[in-house]
Amino acid sequence: DAGVIQSPRHEVTEMGQEVTLRCKPISGHNSLFWYRQTMMRGLELLIYFNNNVPIDDSGMPEDRFSAKMPNASFSTLKIQPSEPRDSAVYFCASSLNSGYNEQFFGPGTRLTVL
Amino acid sequence: QKEVEQNSGPLSVPEGAIASLNCTYSDRGSQSFFWYRQYSGKSPELIMFIYSNGDKEDGRFTAQLNKASQYVSLLIRDSQPSDSATYLCAGIKAAGNKLTFGGGTRVLVKP
Repeated sequence: DAGVIQSPRHEVTEMGQEVTLRCKPISGHNSLFWYRQTMMRGLELLIYFNNNVPIDDSGMPEDRFSAKMPNASFSTLKIQPSEPRDSAVYFCASSLNSGYNEQFFGPGTRLTVL
Repeated sequence: QKEVEQNSGPLSVPEGAIASLNCTYSDRGSQSFFWYRQYSGKSPELIMFIYSNGDKEDGRFTAQLNKASQYVSLLIRDSQPSDSATYLCAGIKAAGNKLTFGGGTRVLVKP
């Protein structure tokens, strides 16, 4: 299996622009997670889905952030409008909803907002 | 207080020595714990998980869990330079699958 796939790997944009990050989970996994990692705040869970349904979005920082999972093989995280403080590495992870819930992380998208 | 706390380090250990990493958690509802390793510029990868009190060994790694004292530890025996990374501790409640991560401990193994 190719693992969790994320695109783009790097994104540089200007403040105010819309940014869309994409994720393809491992085939057969039914849980998907979006994380943000910064030096200051570490690894933070933004939102997660079970069977394409958002379960917990309490980590989404504000209304500028939105996430969708239209089917089992695709999810997006959108930031509109983007701000410099959104600069971070965004990871997508997936897991099989099994007893110990090992999560497999994608390579991440490094976002820079100028 | 963060739910999962780790010393940020760096923890510097000589090659061949034992690296000891600690993690404390505040939510007694947490049932299972995970140790992830993250190399600089890479994504986290799972090393071990533990859900019962006591020790669990896997190769050079041993995870220890003490639910009464609310701490989890990871021992790395015969440390190698390739073990130099940040180690993230994470806890999960039995009822859901939301991981809560600590801030990570950076480990430096010096030849």
